[in-house]
Amino acid sequence: QVQLQESGPGLVKPSETLSLTCSVSGGSISSYYWSWIRQPPGKGLEWIGYIYYSGSTNYNPSLKSRVTMSVDTSENQFSLRLSSVTAADTAVYFCARDQGYISSAGSGWYFDLWGRGTLVTVSS
Amino acid sequence: DIQMTQSPSSLSAYVGDRVTITCRSSQNIGTHLHWYQQKPGRAPNLLIYAASNLQSGVPARFTGSGSGTTFTLTISSLQREDSATYYCQQSRNTYMFTFGQGTRLEIK
Repeated sequence: QVQLQESGPGLVKPSETLSLTCSVSGGSISSYYWSWIRQPPGKGLEWIGYIYYSGSTNYNPSLKSRVTMSVDTSENQFSLRLSSVTAADTAVYFCARDQGYISSAGSGWYFDLWGRGTLVTVSS
Repeated sequence: DIQMTQSPSSLSAYVGDRVTITCRSSQNIGTHLHWYQQKPGRAPNLLIYAASNLQSGVPARFTGSGSGTTFTLTISSLQREDSATYYCQQSRNTYMFTFGQGTRLEIK
C-alpha cells in the first residue's frame, strides 16, 4: 500500500530556510497532486500548498511569498522549502496525497493518505 | 477565502451516545466538504468525503450530511476509541483549501 514519509531537520534557526522531503513508497507519485499541511503545537490544521507530479504548484496566499515546492519523479518524492522562518512556523508538517473526485456538485479534492508528520522547531 | 467554523469546539459524551458535530462555511460550497479524525500524536484520518461518502474502512457509525453552508458529522453510537479531534475541510475553492478549527470529543 502507498505510504508517505516526511524527512528533514527538526530544528531550524530563525530567518533560515526550512526544507522537508516527502518520500512516496508502494506506489507512483505520477498522476496525483500532493500537499503539505502543517499544525502548530496544540492548534489546528493549515494547508500550505500542493504540487502536481508534473511540477505545477498552488500555494496558500498567506505563505506564497516564502514557499517553494518541487517534485522529483525519478526519486518518487516531493519537497517543501519555507524561507525566512520565525517561531510562528514551528509546527508538525504533514505531507498528504490529494485524491480527486467527481460528484453532482462538480469535481473536488480530499486528503486520503497522510505521512506521520515531522515536528520542525524554529529556534536559535 | 472560505472560512470554516465548527461547533461545538469541544464536547464530552458517554459510550453509546449519539453525537453530532456541525461545520459551517462562509459561502456555498456545495458538497465539497470532508471530515477527518485526528488522535493525539497521529496524522488526521479521512472519515467522510464529499459531505456524505464514507471512506473505505471507516465504521458505519460515522455519517455525514449537508450541502451548501451547513454540514454535520454524526456518530450514531459513540465508542471509546472515537475520542479524538475532528476537523472539516472544504475543497470548493481548489486554489485555497481550508479547515475548520476542530472539535475535541472526549468520552465521559
